[in-house]
Amino acid sequence: RKEVEQDPGPFNVPEGATVAFNCTYSNSASQSFFWYRQDCRKEPKLLMSVYSSGNEDGRFTAQLNRASQYISLLIRDSKLSDSATYLCVVNGGGYNKLIFGAGTRLAVHP
Amino acid sequence: NAGVTQTPKFRVLKTGQSMTLLCAQDMNHEYMYWYRQDPGMGLRLIHYSVGEGTTAKGEVPDGYNVSRLKKQNFLLGLESAAPSQTSVYFCASRTPRRGSSYNEQFFGPGTRLTVL
Repeated sequence: RKEVEQDPGPFNVPEGATVAFNCTYSNSASQSFFWYRQDCRKEPKLLMSVYSSGNEDGRFTAQLNRASQYISLLIRDSKLSDSATYLCVVNGGGYNKLIFGAGTRLAVHP
Repeated sequence: NAGVTQTPKFRVLKTGQSMTLLCAQDMNHEYMYWYRQDPGMGLRLIHYSVGEGTTAKGEVPDGYNVSRLKKQNFLLGLESAAPSQTSVYFCASRTPRRGSSYNEQFFGPGTRLTVL
């Protein structure tokens, strides 16, 4: 079993749609959680950290369920520029060693 | 600030050849990391360093060596390249100091390596 599992997609949605991605992780001791965004043939960039109480950054909302070891990302009012791969990331031990999911691909069309 | 840079951007090797990938960061970060990314898989940690002169193994260290002689540079070496090492290699850095970017790893643009 992979340590961080995501649906690879692709999710094809029209502009303005709301889309949600889910992710599960296996290490119950993990303390830090993130969503990174990766554009095609580019490096990953931090989209947002995920906090226990849930957090929002503009059109993006992240939630964490520690009991179910489940992380989600909700994107409202999708833009063409949101098309990318979204990586679920969990810290895997000391020195901020990160465990990456394989990513969920989102394609937003006009 | 250039952030994290990697050289070269692309490289094609023959099996058995050696090469070194260079990562440089100008953010004065203590921690640096080397990852590889393969299709259908998440980024996997090869080696990492928590400071000048120190290195440690990650999840997939076999076939690679690293050195951190200067704080700003982290080198990844392949002594005898194999086709299984065909991948995209990303370097990242991070500060352990509390602040706005405390948890964030900053990535370089990647090196695309093909081993024939």
